[in-house]
Amino acid sequence: AQSVTQPDIHITVSEGASLELRCNYSYGATPYLFWYVQSPGQGLQLLLKYFSGDTLVQGIKGFEAEFKRSQSSFNLRKPSVHWSDAAEYFCALTGGFKTIFGAGTRLFVKA
Amino acid sequence: NAGVMQNPRHLVRRRGQEARLRCSPMKGHSHVYWYRQLPEEGLKFMVYLQKENIIDESGMPKERFSAEFPKEGPSILRIQQVVRGDSAAYFCASSPEGVPNEKLFFGSGTQLSVL
Repeated sequence: AQSVTQPDIHITVSEGASLELRCNYSYGATPYLFWYVQSPGQGLQLLLKYFSGDTLVQGIKGFEAEFKRSQSSFNLRKPSVHWSDAAEYFCALTGGFKTIFGAGTRLFVKA
Repeated sequence: NAGVMQNPRHLVRRRGQEARLRCSPMKGHSHVYWYRQLPEEGLKFMVYLQKENIIDESGMPKERFSAEFPKEGPSILRIQQVVRGDSAAYFCASSPEGVPNEKLFFGSGTQLSVL
């Protein structure tokens, strides 16, 4: 069965600190993986995606993610968080016609 | 190039009424997806449509819910005889021709509140 798990419901980091959001997936083949960000009252915006090739992918707003097949993970990272990064982040997997989303991790940024 | 447009942004209905949610995909996009988001939860897939065809409706409740994407006009998600449990944010996404799901463009959603 296909599934996406984001173990952390909430994360709080200080502005300027580094960030890592965890994502684990279950899928029978090589997945298409995505990270989306959602600001309050808004739809989702694509940060980055992994289809194949280089396992370290760069996205918008200074985010990157690393695909690790052996760990079934696709963690999102940013070296220095800005207050404007406070939002909800969703990891997603595409299998067939569906894109399946994790439950999300809400990021709080403190000054 | 306008993005995915959803209307209304907020919809209030009393129990038993009908709710109609509209989604206009991005220009040139022929794949439309509907998702439902409950508080503190991720997005749950409901249905995937192409023009005039339902491709995958495995996430749609079997009763009261229907979706269409006509040749002309927006995609419509219709909920008949709404109940309080239908209260949620409903998001529409579209993707261009080619590989579906390669990149989804999301609308801002419709927040449905059932009184």
